[in-house]
Amino acid sequence: ILNVEQSPQSLHVQEGDSTNFTCSFPSSNFYALHWYRWETAKSPEALFVMTLNGDEKKKGRISATLNTKEGYSYLYIKGSQPEDSATYLCASPTGNQFYFGTGTSLTVIP
Amino acid sequence: SQTIHQWPATLVQPVGSPLSLECTVEGTSNPNLYWYRQAAGRGLQLLFYSVGIGQISSEVPQNLSASRPQDRQFILSSKKLLLSDSGFYLCAWSDPTRGYTEAFFGQGTRLTVV
Repeated sequence: ILNVEQSPQSLHVQEGDSTNFTCSFPSSNFYALHWYRWETAKSPEALFVMTLNGDEKKKGRISATLNTKEGYSYLYIKGSQPEDSATYLCASPTGNQFYFGTGTSLTVIP
Repeated sequence: SQTIHQWPATLVQPVGSPLSLECTVEGTSNPNLYWYRQAAGRGLQLLFYSVGIGQISSEVPQNLSASRPQDRQFILSSKKLLLSDSGFYLCAWSDPTRGYTEAFFGQGTRLTVV
């Protein structure tokens, strides 16, 4: 079982604050790193799919970076809004398996 | 376009009763299929995955089993539920022909074993 770890487990920030969290994964046999956003009562939805060392992806106020050599990815949210409140999951697929981290639960306080 | 259906949305079952959760995918062929569980306060745990009809890989020994009787149908079962089987179950699919693209999830089933 692939060890994908995320930190912190939960995070509370004030509206307007910027924040970031970490996903770490084994750097050997790396294929891709995914970030998902999971809102309460909804299904997880993919934010980013990253494959190359040094990849940087951006979608609105959310961006992500990837370091495959050291085995980590950061997700950044600039100017957090209450609608950003969700659990953010990362996954590192290997072969036919998708292993997810435990997630970071973000709460943005208005 | 592809869609994934999972049902039921919620389920309350007594300890010792059987379980059957069903997931179907439309609009694609030969998908990889997955069952995940989120236990209270934890992340998504991969339970089973399947790369084809009748091909099931189990990640964690447990009280559950999975079957894939048709290409786009994936079923999660149990003969006798335990209290520890309570949780949120998600079915997902991915396209194995497109490299390591993202997984697409169903709406989930909230299972409460009482």
